[in-house]
Amino acid sequence: DAGITQSPRHKVTETGTPVTLRCHQTENHRYMYWYRQDPGHGLRLIHYSYGVKDTDKGEVSDGYSVSRSKTEDFLLTLESATSSQTSVYFCAISGQLKRGGYTFGSGTRLTVV
Amino acid sequence: KNQVEQSPQSLIILEGKNCTLQCNYTVSPFSNLRWYKQDTGRGPVSLTIMTFSENTKSNGRYTATLDADTKQSSLHITASQLSDSASYICVVSEGDYGGATNKLIFGTGTLLAVQP
Repeated sequence: DAGITQSPRHKVTETGTPVTLRCHQTENHRYMYWYRQDPGHGLRLIHYSYGVKDTDKGEVSDGYSVSRSKTEDFLLTLESATSSQTSVYFCAISGQLKRGGYTFGSGTRLTVV
Repeated sequence: KNQVEQSPQSLIILEGKNCTLQCNYTVSPFSNLRWYKQDTGRGPVSLTIMTFSENTKSNGRYTATLDADTKQSSLHITASQLSDSASYICVVSEGDYGGATNKLIFGTGTLLAVQP
């Protein structure tokens, strides 16, 4: 998707290992978000950022941490991956206060074995 | 509890036919309602965004309607194409204005398959 890239696209990791997913944007948008998508559930917000070093929790933040040291990068870290964190992770960006238009990345498929 | 429910869960139609997808929500306060298209292995892409005062919005062959009184929305696809095969997700923004920090409530989507 134009202006937003996620890496890696796929990852398999072992239970208990740390994992970091990266979201990079070239749109200079203020707001960045991490969501997870699981079968039978709508996308659920993990964490979001409203500026450099400004982050807040979403509805499913347990087991996850984030960092944003630059406007363009938003990192999601699983400190000790568990099988319940097997999911597809999406990053999104938004620059509009009004109407809040979102642009989503292509996702990272994470498998914890 | 704020919820967004979509129906049907899945749908198969023949190329060239029309179809309508439904979305019912119980979100308050309501800010806006969005429809997204998600192709397999890709992120959602916005089709339409409607606020309380808008009851219809079109984007090419896609037309969304909103009835804020009954808290229902529909997405109508006209003259379907094979490329319309995707998941269609209804999303309601909770909040008093369309802010970027409003909570988004996502439906689980309708999986549409268009067959030749």
